[in-house]
Amino acid sequence: QLVQPATEVRKPGASVKVSCTASGYNFNDYYLHWVRQAPGQGLEWMGRINTATGGTEYEEKFQARIAMTRDTSVSAAYLDLSALTSADTAIYYCARGGRLYTRGGFDVWGQGTMVSVSS
Amino acid sequence: DIVLTQTPLSLSVTPGQPASMSCKSSQSLLHSDGRTYLFWYLQKTGQSPQLLIYEVSNRLSGVPDRFSGSGSGTDFTLEISRVEAEDVGIYYCMQGKQIPPFTFGPGTKVNIK
Repeated sequence: QLVQPATEVRKPGASVKVSCTASGYNFNDYYLHWVRQAPGQGLEWMGRINTATGGTEYEEKFQARIAMTRDTSVSAAYLDLSALTSADTAIYYCARGGRLYTRGGFDVWGQGTMVSVSS
Repeated sequence: DIVLTQTPLSLSVTPGQPASMSCKSSQSLLHSDGRTYLFWYLQKTGQSPQLLIYEVSNRLSGVPDRFSGSGSGTDFTLEISRVEAEDVGIYYCMQGKQIPPFTFGPGTKVNIK
């Protein structure tokens, strides 16, 4: 399973770091993805991290202000998003992707972290 | 980026009746490795999405066999043979052929009549 904090609240211009802690499988064997969902909207892929190497791939629109990292010692991944605006208010999900170097679907999801950006 | 279009956007179904929804891609999802990277997810209200179908037609373990996926190239279909009340939610297709980015369709909302 993947465990995330329930909520984070930030002011515009601030940054947020969302954690995702994995258990029940070998963390280093699978990609870890981040997907967000604005209120009443669809799913938006943000990027993924190769948990073995730390290599990342990001959706282009987030490139300038996103960072994904992981700590294999605690089987955790992190999403760092900076320069927040109200448009970043959304539920942020982490999801397990396919085994490394495959294109598998996202078969395990965290319960989501609601990030609210408001002054 | 590959764009996915889903139809209909909303579907109202009588329990026990079949349901069908479409996902069309702006490009073929057939990869050079011979696999077609089209996935289906269901998001129930207030829950995280769950993977139902991978690579067009393969049900994830535990997914009821009333769900079936089909299609090739750019046109794909998810069918529910006999809709049950627990099938209510939004169904999303997703492509993994041309990445980054993985892209999702806008979703088809299924409700019960």
